Amino acid sequence: EVQLLESGGGLVQPGGSLRLSCAASGFTFSSYAMSWVRQAPGKGLEWVSIVSGSGSNTYYADSVKGRFTISRDSSKNMLSLQMDSLRAEDAAVYYCAKAGCITNCYFDSWGQGTLVTVSS
Amino acid sequence: QVVLTQSSSASASLGASVKLTCTLTSGHSTYSIAWYQQQPEKGPRYLMNINNDGSHSKGDGIPDRFSGSRSGAERYLTISSLQSEDEADYYCQTWGTGIQVFGGGTKLTVL
Repeated sequence: EVQLLESGGGLVQPGGSLRLSCAASGFTFSSYAMSWVRQAPGKGLEWVSIVSGSGSNTYYADSVKGRFTISRDSSKNMLSLQMDSLRAEDAAVYYCAKAGCITNCYFDSWGQGTLVTVSS
Repeated sequence: QVVLTQSSSASASLGASVKLTCTLTSGHSTYSIAWYQQQPEKGPRYLMNINNDGSHSKGDGIPDRFSGSRSGAERYLTISSLQSEDEADYYCQTWGTGIQVFGGGTKLTVL
């Protein structure tokens, strides 16, 4: 059974940094792309970033490009999102999602999310 | 840039059927899409993906009551024999090289 467990969320001041992690199990981690998707309170889903199974290709939404960095560690089955220069509009529940392929496609498994609050 | 358009809300009676629509922008009518269900206070759940040829594959454990189809630039999610637990937000999604796009979501109310 695929399991995705996010951690690292919390309260951070505008301009601050936070690192999210997602522990994955139940599948061959390096064979699938992994992604972060966020959801602001009362809003819809917004894609944030994706990394290919090999880790060699990364892509970002324009809203986070240059501020967020996605990475993966296949030795630990761990996905990470380093978030710098955080803004109020980055406040959301952040979901870790497993793609159904090695590059870029639909997301067939999701975590329960971790809440990021950006406020002074 | 591809955009997905969904109605903001839909409603249907318990035991009835409902068809939700996701429309791709002009010029992107051949894109594959996926459907997700998000029940209140829960993370999204993958339902199925629909390919351009109309074929679709469902997620693990998704009941037969959920089915997908397409016509031109429109992609559909049909839920039959509606149950109370089907009351949720439903999102469609598509993807391309280096990009992922979600529709705005449809809030389904089961009457």
